[in-house]
Amino acid sequence: DTGVSQNPRHKITKRGQNVTFRCDPISEHNRLYWYRQTLGQGPEFLTYFQNEAQLEKSRLLSDRFSAERPKGSFSTLEIQRTEQGDSAMYLCASSSGQSAWNYGYTFGSGTRLTVV
Amino acid sequence: QQQVKQSPQSLIVQKGGISIINCAYENTAFDYFPWYQQFPGKGPALLIAIRPDVSEKKEGRFTISFNKSAKQFSLHIMDSQPGDSATYFCAASSPQGGSEKLVFGKGTKLTVNP
Repeated sequence: DTGVSQNPRHKITKRGQNVTFRCDPISEHNRLYWYRQTLGQGPEFLTYFQNEAQLEKSRLLSDRFSAERPKGSFSTLEIQRTEQGDSAMYLCASSSGQSAWNYGYTFGSGTRLTVV
Repeated sequence: QQQVKQSPQSLIVQKGGISIINCAYENTAFDYFPWYQQFPGKGPALLIAIRPDVSEKKEGRFTISFNKSAKQFSLHIMDSQPGDSATYFCAASSPQGGSEKLVFGKGTKLTVNP
């Protein structure tokens, strides 16, 4: 499978715990994006990497959220001290710059987080 | 502030009919307008996209109409099929302006009855 892979698919955690999600983009894609999608809403931008550099961050990304992309390959998104409002689908996407014009992003199937 | 407004929220169409979804945007810096299709449990997938230098783009049964002066664009699905039943999102971004992020509408749940 050469698509965008996200793990885990589902995560249930207790409020106050830390969680980490992983995204493996399409190997030749140098751009990686994180979005959050709540029920009945469109995806909301969180952050964007070009190679290992984090170039843009949303105000939605509070200080409890951190994302990394070491070596410009896979990426992790960590949420510290989770709150019930963090419950959402976390989507990762990748693109190869110019291909985004023609082929858009390729999204993964997401990690569904439930905070109880 | 919602930068991309999408309507209707839901749409029911008979097989063979035309599905029309509308979006309006506010930021004149937007210069890329894609439509994404999302099935339950899956991430969104690009359906078709347009840039503001053209007023219409057609790919198979899917057509985007773009009105730059009105800051509106729409998706038309001709000969709608039950397999088209999904949630559709319009989006906008300004990659030429240096921003890679997509701003999505709230989505339209399309149901095509057989």
